[in-house]
Amino acid sequence: RKEVEQDPGPFNVPEGATVAFNCTYSNSASQSFFWYRQDCRKEPKLLMSVYSSGNEDGRFTAQLNRASQYISLLIRDSKLSDSATYLCVVILKTSYDKVIFGPGTSLSVIP
Amino acid sequence: DAGVTQSPTHLIKTRGQQVTLRCSPKSGHDTVSWYQQALGQGPQFIFQYYEEEERQRGNFPDRFSGHQFPNYSSELNVNALLLGDSALYLCASSLWLAGGWSYEQYFGPGTRLTVT
Repeated sequence: RKEVEQDPGPFNVPEGATVAFNCTYSNSASQSFFWYRQDCRKEPKLLMSVYSSGNEDGRFTAQLNRASQYISLLIRDSKLSDSATYLCVVILKTSYDKVIFGPGTSLSVIP
Repeated sequence: DAGVTQSPTHLIKTRGQQVTLRCSPKSGHDTVSWYQQALGQGPQFIFQYYEEEERQRGNFPDRFSGHQFPNYSSELNVNALLLGDSALYLCASSLWLAGGWSYEQYFGPGTRLTVT
């Protein structure tokens, strides 16, 4: 089993739709979680951290479920500009801080 | 506010050659991490530098080495290039805090390396 897995995608949704991405991680000792977005042929950009209590930033909501070892990202009222690949990141503290990116889920918002 | 910069943007090398990539962190940041991103995959952590020392290293062979300078900029060196080293190489900067490094990273635009 891979350390971090994401919905395979791609997701094609109409403008205004609500879309949810899931990311699962295999090591229960993972301690920090993030969502990044990456536009085509560009660098990843930090979207939001994910906290145990859940957190919201405008149209974006991130949730963490430690018991089931997954994080989620919900995007409401999708915009064309939301089209990108969404990467989840898990940090596992071992003898060093192991930064693990998921493979990403591609989102296309269609007019 | 100067963001993370990387050079060159593109590079073509031949198998067996050596390459050096460069990165300047975001203004105010002191920690630099390097990642390799193959097409269609998420970035993979190579190593991290702080105070001119390699602090953490991922699962990459010794052909991958690096350096950090007193001004916090960094270099990634890859020796004996293989075809499989073709990828986008990303540099990310962050801050080192009292308890360790801040996990929030800011990425540069990357260097696209092609090995033929």
